[in-house]
Amino acid sequence: DTGVSQNPRHKITKRGQNVTFRCDPISEHNRLYWYRQTLGQGPEFLTYFQNEAQLEKSRLLSDRFSAERPKGSFSTLEIQRTEQGDSAMYLCASSLVGTGGFGFSPLHFGNGTRLTVT
Amino acid sequence: DAKTTQPPSMDCAEGRAANLPCNHSTISGNEYVYWYRQIHSQGPQYIIHGLKNNETNEMASLIITEDRKSSTLILPHATLRDTAVYYCIAYNAGNMLTFGGGTRLMVKP
Repeated sequence: DTGVSQNPRHKITKRGQNVTFRCDPISEHNRLYWYRQTLGQGPEFLTYFQNEAQLEKSRLLSDRFSAERPKGSFSTLEIQRTEQGDSAMYLCASSLVGTGGFGFSPLHFGNGTRLTVT
Repeated sequence: DAKTTQPPSMDCAEGRAANLPCNHSTISGNEYVYWYRQIHSQGPQYIIHGLKNNETNEMASLIITEDRKSSTLILPHATLRDTAVYYCIAYNAGNMLTFGGGTRLMVKP
């Protein structure tokens, strides 16, 4: 168990540019989650996958945000046409959920990607 | 998920027990009480969870009242490295893990 890995750890970009973040979950975990955290606030849920299926995406902040998990392993979160308000920590987590949603492990979080939009 | 209420901040002397309270009066029967903590510049770290029985692991103890409307996380011998924001969450796997404001615990020498 090497933990959840997120890259890059820090990203500075100019307003209007696109950015992509990568998350590598714990290998045996079938669920992967994306959260956003702004200064002084708790993490805010964005979206999650079960294997390669994106089961909830209504909480994505706008249509500029999209996420993929093409082979059910790593995931990417893309923000298009970044705005200064997108500056935040983007956190990824993974967990193992059994068949029918029963039997689940706690979410394990990575250390996030800190995005600064100038 | 049921809403939880925690004090915004607490202090604790190093080496003493830290007792962090949480109210979750609207918790439903299938929701577990989860505790996470977040040390500065890191992602949240899972600590412990329970349904109705008290639980203990190498990090902490969780005491849940019989009516399940509140709980207490106990760090038996707090160290400076326990300084963090502690989140109490009522959660079941059918929903999303929803974080509130948490309690900022400051462990002082």
